Amino acid sequence: QVQLVQSGAEVKKPGSSVKVSCKASGGTFSSYTISWVRQAPGQGLEWMGRIIPIFGIVNYAQKFQGRVTITADKSTSTVYMELSSLRSEDTAVYYCVRDRVEGYYFDYWGQGTLVTVSS
Amino acid sequence: QSVLTQPPSVSGAPGQRVTISCTGSSSNIGAGYDVHWYQQLPGTAPKLLIYGNSNRPSGVPDRFSGSKSGTSASLAITGLQAEDEADYYCQSYDSSLSALFGGGTKLTVL
Repeated sequence: QVQLVQSGAEVKKPGSSVKVSCKASGGTFSSYTISWVRQAPGQGLEWMGRIIPIFGIVNYAQKFQGRVTITADKSTSTVYMELSSLRSEDTAVYYCVRDRVEGYYFDYWGQGTLVTVSS
Repeated sequence: QSVLTQPPSVSGAPGQRVTISCTGSSSNIGAGYDVHWYQQLPGTAPKLLIYGNSNRPSGVPDRFSGSKSGTSASLAITGLQAEDEADYYCQSYDSSLSALFGGGTKLTVL
C-alpha cells in the first residue's frame, strides 16, 4: 500500500520561501510520478506541478513557473516542493499526490501540510 | 475561475439519485482527455472516486458512476446516503499535461 507522509505545518513571512517534504513508502518509488496540489481555505483544488523522480523530469503549471521548484531524493524516496516569494494568497494546504501518468489522475494523497503566510 | 465548470451545490434526500456536471472545452475534455472525480469529506484529503471517465477504484461502491460526452462529464450517485455529504471535484488535463480541476460541488443530503 502506497503511503505519502508530509512534513508539518509552517508559518512564513511574506516574501520568504517554504519547502515541504513528502516521503513515499510502499510500491516502487522509481516508478512513481508525484504531483503537488494545493487548496486555499474554503477554496478548490489547484495543481502546481509534477516530477518523475527516475528521470528528474519536472512539469510546472504556468501560474507557478519561476516560483515553484519540485525536486526528488531517490535515496530517501522523498519529494520536495519549494515555493518562493510567498504572499498571503499562498496560504493553503499543500498535498503531494501520486500521479498516474497513464491517465493523469491522482490515486494516493498525502495528509496535507498547512502553510500560513502572515506578517 | 476554474477551467472546468461545476455547479456550486446540489442536494438530495436519502435514497435519491443526484448528478453533478463538469463542463470543459475543446482544449481539455472535448479534446478526448479523460475525466476523473474526487470526493473530499470535511477536514480530510480528497479521495479518488472515479478515474478514466467511468472506472471505480477498488472499494468505491457501485452507487457512484461516471460518464463523459463531448465537452462534459457527469458523476451520478444513486441510493444517496448521509455519508455521501461531501465536496466533489472533477479533474481533467490539457495538451501540456497540466492537470485541471473543477471548482467543486458541495453535496448536501437533506
